[in-house]
Amino acid sequence: AQSVTQPDIHITVSEGASLELRCNYSYGATPYLFWYVQSPGQGLQLLLKYFSGDTLVQGIKGFEAEFKRSQSSFNLRKPSVHWSDAAEYFCAVASNDYKLSFGAGTTVTVRA
Amino acid sequence: EAGVVQSPRYKIIEKKQPVAFWCNPISGHNTLYWYLQNLGQGPELLIRYENEEAVDDSQLPKDRFSAERLKGVDSTLKIQPAELGDSAVYLCASSLLAEETQYFGPGTRLLVL
Repeated sequence: AQSVTQPDIHITVSEGASLELRCNYSYGATPYLFWYVQSPGQGLQLLLKYFSGDTLVQGIKGFEAEFKRSQSSFNLRKPSVHWSDAAEYFCAVASNDYKLSFGAGTTVTVRA
Repeated sequence: EAGVVQSPRYKIIEKKQPVAFWCNPISGHNTLYWYLQNLGQGPELLIRYENEEAVDDSQLPKDRFSAERLKGVDSTLKIQPAELGDSAVYLCASSLLAEETQYFGPGTRLLVL
């Protein structure tokens, strides 16, 4: 069965600074990988996804993620964070039957 | 285009009472999902429907949980009787097909006292 580990429970970053959120997955075959964001009281919104092809994936809101098969990682990055980026971020992996398994999430706090 | 609609947004009940959650997926989406999200955790799949058929309910606690998706559109998730440990957020999601992107509703936050 597939699984996802997000090593950082909470990250605090200054507005305008860069952000990187770590994600490690476990899955025997080629994974389908996703990053979702959840603002307080809201549902999850898809930031980006990787199915195949270019390992650097661009998403919405200025986010990007890089798939590294050798490291079983799919880290999320943003060059310059905005206060509105404060939220909880979830990495997920889908098996070949498209069943999503989520990590426990990383809470991002943005300080002025 | 309207997103996934869920109601109620919040529900407080006493233990042993029944409770039901309703979900209206995005128009035209054949696949519907119910997830459970405990505090500080990622969502966990409870059940997946393709049209009106439940194709994956392996994680649904069938002794107290039930779900239905009549006519392959709206869906209802029921808990009877509710236990203290059921306090969580219940998320509904839909996708055009199983292999397509899942779109999530805002969730129903349940508190069992």
